[in-house]
Amino acid sequence: GQNIDQPTEMTATEGAIVQINCTYQTSGFNGLFWYQQHAGEAPTFLSYNVLDGLEEKGRFSSFLSRSKGYSYLLLKELQMKDSASYLCAVVDSNYQLIWGAGTKLIIKP
Amino acid sequence: GAVVSQHPSRVICKSGTSVKIECRSLDFQATTMFWYRQFPKKSLMLMATSNEGSKATYEQGVEKDKFLINHASLTLSTLTVTSAHPEDSSFYICSASTLGGGSDEQFFGPGTRLTVL
Repeated sequence: GQNIDQPTEMTATEGAIVQINCTYQTSGFNGLFWYQQHAGEAPTFLSYNVLDGLEEKGRFSSFLSRSKGYSYLLLKELQMKDSASYLCAVVDSNYQLIWGAGTKLIIKP
Repeated sequence: GAVVSQHPSRVICKSGTSVKIECRSLDFQATTMFWYRQFPKKSLMLMATSNEGSKATYEQGVEKDKFLINHASLTLSTLTVTSAHPEDSSFYICSASTLGGGSDEQFFGPGTRLTVL
């Protein structure tokens, strides 16, 4: 079957760095999305990786290793507003989205 | 775990026809279902929120008469794209929640790719 694993919850301190991991086993691979979702709001696009390597966008970076079925989202200089759920989603060979359950990130002062 | 399915996964239709997309929560009762539209490499755009047994709440700019949403039971919501046109071609995703609107416990479906010729 197809599966996406990411931690259920993580806690970090304001100003610090946190890495949220996502591992996947899917039938084919056509890219991986990271979304941020605040409670009661629609998910916001953060990144899309289809090739191996690290992509940096300001305080957020996303890494992909297709051979390992692994991605991570790196958040630097954490701010209180970064408290949210972070969703990992993989596009499979049929161009269907396989969603992870999301990681709830709690930022403490 | 909570599983949400969508049917069909992919549909191609002619301009002017209507297409119905189903969203089902397979192992839980969804009091609230959300319909999104995804543009390439962009955020999901919330189209509407539907609560079982009541009319859907549409986001600003989404045509109610074009995108008909029905949430007849706690496990099924449908989105009907009426008189579809090529600009309606997109990836439509639903999500389901067991709690009231405002919770972040949403479970997402795999999406339906609509292509209008």
